[in-house]
Amino acid sequence: GDSVTQMEGPVTLSEEAFLTINCTYTATGYPSLFWYVQYPGEGLQLLLKATKADDKGSNKGFEATYRKETTSFHLEKGSVQVSDSAVYFCALMGSNYKLTFGKGTLLTVNP
Amino acid sequence: NAGVTQTPKFRVLKTGQSMTLLCAQDMNHEYMYWYRQDPGMGLRLIHYSVGEGTTAKGEVPDGYNVSRLKKQNFLLGLESAAPSQTSVYFCASTLTGGDTYEQYFGPGTRLTVT
Repeated sequence: GDSVTQMEGPVTLSEEAFLTINCTYTATGYPSLFWYVQYPGEGLQLLLKATKADDKGSNKGFEATYRKETTSFHLEKGSVQVSDSAVYFCALMGSNYKLTFGKGTLLTVNP
Repeated sequence: NAGVTQTPKFRVLKTGQSMTLLCAQDMNHEYMYWYRQDPGMGLRLIHYSVGEGTTAKGEVPDGYNVSRLKKQNFLLGLESAAPSQTSVYFCASTLTGGDTYEQYFGPGTRLTVT
């Protein structure tokens, strides 16, 4: 079945540091890939997505590229802010319209 | 446009009690989902629905039932609550078609079973 493996946290960075959160997946066919973010006490919000190989999703300074050859969708940001502190989830959606999530990575950014 | 709403936001139950969680969406979405979120486990799919009057089991359906009598509502029921069902429950919906597969999430319901 489908599965998503993402970097275990927690990740603690200083403001303006570079962020990478690794995500790899296993799926049949051609899934769509997503990064969701969950701020404390809130539900999940879509951060970015990519629907086919080599697509780059981007939003709020975050980027991720759909790499079919390495089955990866790593999240990056060049300069993190304190307000980026949250839990980040990598997910895939196959042809059955069901999302499969990774376990989440807690990011804390210190001033 | 309220998006996806969930009722209630918090609930405490005793073991063996029953309750129903309500999810409502005003986006005319076909698909709706119920997840539970537990520490270190990510989100796991409980049940989902691909349209009014239809439901299907997800990854962890045991101990839960669902109903989708109206397109905009998706109810999650616990007939006899157990401490293992202590969790945060999220509802989501999605519009199918094209490449728009984004799931929109509600704010969650925090359930504690004692």
